[in-house]
Amino acid sequence: NAGVTQTPKFRVLKTGQSMTLLCAQDMNHEYMYWYRQDPGMGLRLIHYSVGEGTTAKGEVPDGYNVSRLKKQNFLLGLESAAPSQTSVYFCAIGDTGELFFGEGSRLTVL
Amino acid sequence: QQQVKQSPQSLIVQKGGISIINCAYENTAFDYFPWYQQFPGKGPALLIAIRPDVSEKKEGRFTISFNKSAKQFSLHIMDSQPGDSATYFCAASMGTAARQLTFGSGTQLTVLP
Repeated sequence: NAGVTQTPKFRVLKTGQSMTLLCAQDMNHEYMYWYRQDPGMGLRLIHYSVGEGTTAKGEVPDGYNVSRLKKQNFLLGLESAAPSQTSVYFCAIGDTGELFFGEGSRLTVL
Repeated sequence: QQQVKQSPQSLIVQKGGISIINCAYENTAFDYFPWYQQFPGKGPALLIAIRPDVSEKKEGRFTISFNKSAKQFSLHIMDSQPGDSATYFCAASMGTAARQLTFGSGTQLTVLP
């Protein structure tokens, strides 16, 4: 999706390993979000940011950390991956009415 | 706690038929109800949205029907096409602040040619 780029697109981790997902946007939005998508669960908000240097917890924040050091980047970190974190992760931007999503990052934790 | 319940989980429709996806919510403070469409390997994209001051909104072949008293809303896809095959998510929020969106569990629609 134009404007929101996620890297990597696929990753396999072993339990206990750490990793960082990067979301980069070129639409100059203040608001950025990290969601996870699981079968039968819809999209659940992990963390979000309302501007550079600020972050806040969403619905399912446990086991994740985030940082927004630059306005255009929003990083999602897993310090010690668990199999329950196997999911598709989506970054999104937007503030009112409409979210613009990236194409997702599929993470498998063995 | 799931505040937006979506059904069915999957739906198969013949080309030209009507696809209907239903959602029910619990929180009466919700006042913005968007629908997102997601194709395989892509992120969701806003399809259509409604506020509770109207009972219906139509955009092309897509219509949202809203029943405030029953706390239900639905998406109708008229003249369904194979290109409509996707996963559809309803959502609800208090105001349009995206950080307050609560999504339904999704419906996988398959339109047979």
